[in-house]
Amino acid sequence: DAKTTQPPSMDCAEGRAANLPCNHSTISGNEYVYWYRQIHSQGPQYIIHGLKNNETNEMASLIITEDRKSSTLILPHATLRDTAVYYCIVRVQETSGSRLTFGEGTQLTVNP
Amino acid sequence: SQTIHQWPATLVQPVGSPLSLECTVEGTSNPNLYWYRQAAGRGLQLLFYSVGIGQISSEVPQNLSASRPQDRQFILSSKKLLLSDSGFYLCAWRGRGTQYFGPGTRLTVL
Repeated sequence: DAKTTQPPSMDCAEGRAANLPCNHSTISGNEYVYWYRQIHSQGPQYIIHGLKNNETNEMASLIITEDRKSSTLILPHATLRDTAVYYCIVRVQETSGSRLTFGEGTQLTVNP
Repeated sequence: SQTIHQWPATLVQPVGSPLSLECTVEGTSNPNLYWYRQAAGRGLQLLFYSVGIGQISSEVPQNLSASRPQDRQFILSSKKLLLSDSGFYLCAWRGRGTQYFGPGTRLTVL
């Protein structure tokens, strides 16, 4: 799996958009970008994933640059409950026995 | 919709005691199931995965074992716990292109 680089921490005001960057300059053509988050003492929660097109779901939007070397996860209206560690993972599509590997992630703190 | 359950949520056990953690999945059939351990901090370690009843693959030789007695049930066990078995144990299932995690069990071995 390609290596990813994320800032260790970010702050965001409640109600504002949270934009979380991820660099993955060594990404291969068949690797997807996945985002998970983990709220303290809970299991990781899948957020979104994409290959090269921008993606949006009920939780977030994923913007992938044209060269696919970086991406941004956008939480459009952050709430206090969005405070968590956010993990950007680059890997080939899921297969039996494939493992998820989390890096250090970004600690997002949403402030009132 | 699919849901994944784990219990207990927290557990404190003495060294040398046995362990049994249970994971069940609802809303899907014949899922691939996984046991991970998350150490203090954030790293995830894959312990076992299963593609079907009675089929277990072990990723890391250790003091733990896993079983899958039913299609949607995955059990993590130990005959004698070690201090180093403390951690946050996560069960996951594979679907829709990725893995989905349960709420986890916090195990403390004293």
